[in-house]
Amino acid sequence: AQKITQTQPGMFVQEKEAVTLDCTYDTSDPSYGLFWYKQPSSGEMIFLIYQGSYDQQNATEGRYSLNFQKARKSANLVISASQLGDSAMYFCAMREGNDMRFGAGTRLTVKP
Amino acid sequence: KAGVTQTPRYLIKTRGQQVTLSCSPISGHRSVSWYQQTPGQGLQFLFEYFSETQRNKGNFPGRFSGRQFSNSRSEMNVSTLELGDSALYLCASSLLPEDYGYTFGSGTRLTVV
Repeated sequence: AQKITQTQPGMFVQEKEAVTLDCTYDTSDPSYGLFWYKQPSSGEMIFLIYQGSYDQQNATEGRYSLNFQKARKSANLVISASQLGDSAMYFCAMREGNDMRFGAGTRLTVKP
Repeated sequence: KAGVTQTPRYLIKTRGQQVTLSCSPISGHRSVSWYQQTPGQGLQFLFEYFSETQRNKGNFPGRFSGRQFSNSRSEMNVSTLELGDSALYLCASSLLPEDYGYTFGSGTRLTVV
């Protein structure tokens, strides 16, 4: 069964605007971690942000924030003030114990 | 500090051959994981090593194998290559397996012809 779902294959955003990339997950384990990674065309996966299942506050890292809604099992990534360099694939991932799974990804294109 | 280094960056092999890919983790990182990325299947977990021991293995055939050395460097081997093995192979390292701070390398792009 698919554990991580990213329903948006592609997204467009105007430069300097904010964008939300959706991610829902499925788990019965009370302890898990949620991640977002960025993959530019070069192929390297760049870690953006992490949210632990017990964290009370939403994680933030610079222009990235994670909108964590535990009851809805949702962990959306919000990018504020988009830049042209934000154009890339974005992957949501969840770690339960030894198991790390990734969503199918969302391709974000930032328009000038 | 140096990041995760994967060699080679690009590789072209023919069906039936075997291939070995290398991953050098960040200095001090002892956990190494491997992933296969294809357009059709996305990112799929291959294996995870910690202190030279395989801790976890994904759902891949026995043609895929790996190992980790005492210096934490890791290799993965694919024998009897098939066209479907064409993919980007990504390696990630962390201090410990439970750490959330996975750092990925740039990957090895393998093309099987």
